[in-house]
Amino acid sequence: DTEVTQTPKHLVMGMTNKKSLKCEQHMGHRAMYWYKQKAKKPPELMFVYSYEKLSINESVPSRFSPECPNSSLLNLHLHALQPEDSALYLCASSQEAAGNYEQYFGPGTRLTVT
Amino acid sequence: AQTVTQSQPEMSVQEAETVTLSCTYDTSENNYYLFWYKQPPSRQMILVIRQEAYKQQNATENRFSVNFQKAAKSFSLKISDSQLGDTAMYFCAFTRGGATNKLIFGTGTLLAVQP
Repeated sequence: DTEVTQTPKHLVMGMTNKKSLKCEQHMGHRAMYWYKQKAKKPPELMFVYSYEKLSINESVPSRFSPECPNSSLLNLHLHALQPEDSALYLCASSQEAAGNYEQYFGPGTRLTVT
Repeated sequence: AQTVTQSQPEMSVQEAETVTLSCTYDTSENNYYLFWYKQPPSRQMILVIRQEAYKQQNATENRFSVNFQKAAKSFSLKISDSQLGDTAMYFCAFTRGGATNKLIFGTGTLLAVQP
C-alpha cells in the first residue's frame, strides 16, 4: 500500500479565513512533506517533518503553519492568505531509510484564495 | 548545490511508438538517488521509476526503462509502446537521501501521446 490521502480535494477561502489541509499515510513512513505547486511548474518544497519534528522550513511565510500530531498525520494551517497562494498543495511521505528515499505523493488539495 | 535539467519542455509521440525523455543533473556527491515522476492531468504525482547511483544496472519497470550514465550525469527515461494514458508531465528528480531527503526537481517535460 503506497497511499497518501489528502483532504479536502478543493478549497476556496477568503483572505481573512482560517482553514486547514490534512494529510495521512499508513505506510509507517518516517518523513512527511508539504509542497506547493503552480500550474506547469515542479513542486516547491515548503516543510519537512522527520520523526514528527520539523526538520526543514524553506523560508515559508508565517501565514502557513505546519503541524505533525503523530507519525501518520500532517496538517497545514492556513491564515490570512494572499491570492498568489492559490496553488495545488501536495503532501508526500517517505520511509527515509537507507536505500528507500522515494517520496509518495497524495492527490493534492487545489486551493483558491479569493 | 545540486541542479536537475530537463531540456525538452514538450514532446509528442504516436501511440505504440517509443520515446525518450532527457534529464541531466549536476552534483559532487558520489551516492544519490534519481527518480522519474509522472503527473497526468489529474495532477497526482506518480513514481514511475527509481535508480540508485551505486547500481550500474539500469532500472526497468514494465514499459519504462532508464539509461543511467553516471559519468555523464545523465538519466534519460525511455517509454516503449506508448499509450494514451502516458500523456502527462514527467519530472526528473534527484536526492542525496540521508537525514534531509530533499527532492530536487527538473522543470518537467510535457509528453503528449497521439492516437
